[in-house]
Amino acid sequence: NAGVMQNPRHLVRRRGQEARLRCSPMKGHSHVYWYRQLPEEGLKFMVYLQKENIIDESGMPKERFSAEFPKEGPSILRIQQVVRGDSAAYFCASSPGHSSGNTIYFGEGSWLTVV
Amino acid sequence: QQQVKQSPQSLIVQKGGISIINCAYENTAFDYFPWYQQFPGKGPALLIAIRPDVSEKKEGRFTISFNKSAKQFSLHIMDSQPGDSATYFCAASWASGSRLTFGEGTQLTVNP
Repeated sequence: NAGVMQNPRHLVRRRGQEARLRCSPMKGHSHVYWYRQLPEEGLKFMVYLQKENIIDESGMPKERFSAEFPKEGPSILRIQQVVRGDSAAYFCASSPGHSSGNTIYFGEGSWLTVV
Repeated sequence: QQQVKQSPQSLIVQKGGISIINCAYENTAFDYFPWYQQFPGKGPALLIAIRPDVSEKKEGRFTISFNKSAKQFSLHIMDSQPGDSATYFCAASWASGSRLTFGEGTQLTVNP
C-alpha cells in the first residue's frame, strides 16, 4: 500500500540544530499539506504546496520554517535553529486535486523531539 | 471565521453504546466535512465525509448528521466497541481549495 510516506519517523535534535522532514505523497497525488500536532492538541495547518509552488503558507511561522515540493523528489519541511517548542508531531498529507472534496490522506507522521 | 469547534473534549462510553461527537463551524463557504480517526502514534485516517447537500450519511456503524442552517455536524458511532477507542477529529474545507481546518479532537474511550 503506497500511502503517504514520511521520514524520519522519529527525530531528535539539540536546540539550535536543523530538522529536515521528508514526505513522499501517494502515487498520482500532486498536492501536499503539512500539519503540526502539539502534544494533546489538534492538527494545525502549516502549508499547502503543489509541485514547485507554495499555494498557501498562512499557517507557517514567519521565521525558521520553510517548505518546498520540488519537481523531482519528496516535499521537505525544514526547521532551522530548532527550539524546545518545536517538539511536535509533523504530519504530511496529500490529495490528487484542487477541488473541495478530494480525499486528503495522511502519513504516519514525523515526531520531532528537541532536547 | 476559520474555526471549527468540537465537543466534547473527552467521552467515555460503554461497549454497545452510542458515541456522539459534535462540531460547529462559522465559515459558510465550507462545503466538505470529513471525520478522521487517530490512534496513538499514528496518522489521522479518514472515517467518513459529507457534503452539505445531504443531511445524513451512513457507513457501517458510523453516521454523520449535518444541519446546514445551524452550521453543525455530528458523528454517531453505533454499537461502540473497545477498538473504537481513539481520538476523533472533525474537519472542514471550502470550495476554492482543499486545505482542512480541524476541530480540537475528542478522545473516545469505550469500556468493555
